[in-house]
Amino acid sequence: EVQLVESGGGLVKPGGSLRLSCAASGFAFSSFAMNWVRQAPGKGLVWVSSISSGATYTSYADSVKGRFTISRDNANNLLYLQMNSLRAEDTAVYYCAREGYSYLFDFWGQGTLVTVSS
Amino acid sequence: QSALTQPASVSGSPGQSITISCTGTSSDVGRYNYVSWYQQHPGKAPKLMVYDVTNRPSGVSNRFSGSKSGSTASLTISGLQAEDEADYYCGSYTNSSTWVFGGGTKLTVL
Repeated sequence: EVQLVESGGGLVKPGGSLRLSCAASGFAFSSFAMNWVRQAPGKGLVWVSSISSGATYTSYADSVKGRFTISRDNANNLLYLQMNSLRAEDTAVYYCAREGYSYLFDFWGQGTLVTVSS
Repeated sequence: QSALTQPASVSGSPGQSITISCTGTSSDVGRYNYVSWYQQHPGKAPKLMVYDVTNRPSGVSNRFSGSKSGSTASLTISGLQAEDEADYYCGSYTNSSTWVFGGGTKLTVL
């Protein structure tokens, strides 16, 4: 059974940093691209970042480019999102999502809440 | 990248059919057949319902179907059931090698 479990969320002050993790199990993690998608309270889904299966390619939404860094540890089936210079507008539930074989997000974690507030 | 445009809400009675539209541009929906749809119940993670415009993952009811014309994709749910009440999001790959989602549509089953 595919499982994605996010952790690392919490309360952080504006300008602060946080690192999110996503532990994957139940599939060949190193064979799939992975993504982070966020959802502000009461708002819609917003794609944040993507990383290819071998970590060769990464991409970011303009709103986080230069502040967030996606990475992965294929040996330990872990996905990360390093978030720096956090702003109030980064407050959201952050989901990790597996990118399936045809440009889709076929499995999602339950999310971890990041709150940026003084 | 601007969000895809979806109606904020739709409603229908049990047994009826409803359609949710998703309008993008020539850079995303109009360029690729990589449109997917996600169902999200309150407090839950999104669930993939349709991918590649028209395909359903294993286990998803055939009451859910997708289509596309130009830069507008659509999700149709037939034979509405109470359990279909949820938020629905479309998503598309873009020519910038990024992703974009719609703003979401709240489906109410009357």
